[in-house]
Amino acid sequence: LAKTTQPISMDSYEGQEVNITCSHNNIATNDYITWYQQFPSQGPRFIIQGYKTKVTNEVASLFIPADRKSSTLSLPRVSLSDTAVYYCLVGDDNFNKFYFGSGTKLNVKP
Amino acid sequence: EAGVTQFPSHSVIEKGQTVTLRCDPISGHDNLYWYRRVMGKEIKFLLHFVKESKQDESGMPNNRFLAERTGGTYSTLKVQPAELEDSGVYFCASSPRRSGSGNEQFFGPGTRLTVL
Repeated sequence: LAKTTQPISMDSYEGQEVNITCSHNNIATNDYITWYQQFPSQGPRFIIQGYKTKVTNEVASLFIPADRKSSTLSLPRVSLSDTAVYYCLVGDDNFNKFYFGSGTKLNVKP
Repeated sequence: EAGVTQFPSHSVIEKGQTVTLRCDPISGHDNLYWYRRVMGKEIKFLLHFVKESKQDESGMPNNRFLAERTGGTYSTLKVQPAELEDSGVYFCASSPRRSGSGNEQFFGPGTRLTVL
């Protein structure tokens, strides 16, 4: 089961772009990379998922280099409501369990 | 489409008592997972159902915990007898079983269990 490493915390200001990088050196061929957002007293919420190159949806972009040993979640123009913990998870298409690390606590300031 | 629901949202019991947590996954999702966060630590996997079968229960802490998913729909997690260290937030997640889509798990809001 591939584990991930990401910064414990990050600070940003409203309107800035935030990039959170995650390391997953032992990622396997069948693994996908998924990012979740969690607010206090809520369950983790799916943000974006990718396998390789770049994926973009209405809230974020996910950049994955060719070797897939890392990934970067990009949040454009963050607002105060984006203050949350962000988890980078690696999971295969066999629907196995996720391993949650400590996540990255993003603090967006006014 | 309704999301994953969990009941109760909060439960306070005394040490030695029994508590049953319930999870209703998204309709049609064959995969159901239980996780928990204890004492501000990281979210840890407990077990995984595929329909009514236990696919992986390697995260269950001990035999005081019993999970069931009769009929492959909702699931229950019973703690009997509860101990102080069982306090935490219990999350349920579900995902559809379709190939080529990775593993997008949809999480419920969690049940906060407090054992006094």
